[in-house]
This record gives sequence, structure tokens and C-alpha cells, in this order.
Amino acid sequence: QKQLQESGPGLVKPSETLSLTCTVSGGSISSNIHYWGWIRQSPGKGLEWIGSINHSGSTFDNPSLKSRVTISVDTSENQFSLKLTSVTAADTALYYCARSWGSNSPFDYWGQGTLVTVSS
Amino acid sequence: DIQMTQSPSSLSASVGDRVTITCRASQPIYSYLNWYQQKPGKAPKLLIYAASSLQSGVPSRFSGSESGTDFTLTISTLQPEDFATYYCQQSYSSPPTFGGGTKVEIK
Repeated sequence: QKQLQESGPGLVKPSETLSLTCTVSGGSISSNIHYWGWIRQSPGKGLEWIGSINHSGSTFDNPSLKSRVTISVDTSENQFSLKLTSVTAADTALYYCARSWGSNSPFDYWGQGTLVTVSS
Repeated sequence: DIQMTQSPSSLSASVGDRVTITCRASQPIYSYLNWYQQKPGKAPKLLIYAASSLQSGVPSRFSGSESGTDFTLTISTLQPEDFATYYCQQSYSSPPTFGGGTKVEIK
């Protein structure tokens, strides 16, 4: 049973860096067909794709986030991570990690989500 | 970015009703359209991919269709567990984008 689980601080101060990790179980993150991504959901902006990383380590991110995004993979821990720099209150959201089977594919497995609040 | 416009934003229906939700893309996305169901406190769940392919384990009362840049999700006979919010998502071009959602409520 494939499972994804997000972890990380629930509170981040403005201008600091948001860091989240997604642990994958029930399958290898080293799969050569899957992409691993981050999606967030807020009342104001709905569902928003943040970025993804593929099996070869290539990353893709949403231009709307103005190069604040870094996504990386740790194959030894079967995890992938998100860093979002220079956060503001607008980055307050429920953050999900998810898997897709290609760059033009849907997200077929999702984590349960973790709420991150940006506040001083 | 490709804009995805869903309608209606909410609807009220009764168990047993046939429900139709529409999603319109701002430009051609061919069949790269996916539908998700989200219940309160839960992550979105993939229902339909490639406009009309049913995800494994999803009941056959859910179906999808397309006509040009217009896509439709149909629930043939609404069940109590189907009251939720439904989202469309295009995966044709980056960034992938989602519709604003349609909340299906109990009449």
C-alpha cells in the first residue's frame, strides 16, 4: 500500500524558509517512471501546484513562485523535500505531497497534507 | 498558464440524482484532463484521468467526457458518500492547474 506522509514545522516566520519532507512508503522513490510533487491549498488560491522532481533529479516549479522553490530527493531515506524561501502570509496553506506517473500525468497518490502557517 | 473554469461552484442534489459538473479550459488541452474528489479534512482523490479513464477502484457511476475544451464529470446515481468537492486539473502543459472546485451538497 503506497503511502506518502508530510512532515515539518507548522509555523514559519515571515521572510524565513519553509521546509517540508515527504516520506514515501510501499514503493521506491527511485522508480524511473514517477514524479514526486508538492501542491498546496488555501482558501484564497485553491489548489496550486508548487513543483515536482523526477527520477533523474530534474526539477520543475511554478513560475508564479518566482524561483523561491527547491525540491530535492533523498533516495537513502525514500524521501523528497520542499524548501520555499522568503515566505509571507500568502504562503499559509495546507501543503500536500503527491506522486504522478509522468510530467503530463495526474497525481494518483497524495499525502494527508500538513498545515503551514506563516506568522510572527 | 491555462485557466480551468468549473461550473457550477456548488450544487444541491438528492441521493439518486444524476449530477453533471463542467470544466472549461482556456486553451486546447486535448484529453489531458483529470478529475478529483475531496472530502473535508482529506486529500484529493483521483477519480478520472485522461478525460474519461476511470481510476482503479473508482465506482462506475463516475464518468468523464470531453468536447473540445469543455469537459464533463457525471455521477449517474448520486450516493451518500459522493457529497464532496470536485476539482478538475489539466496536465497538458506546465504549470498544471486546477479548477476552482464544485461543492456537491445534500438537498
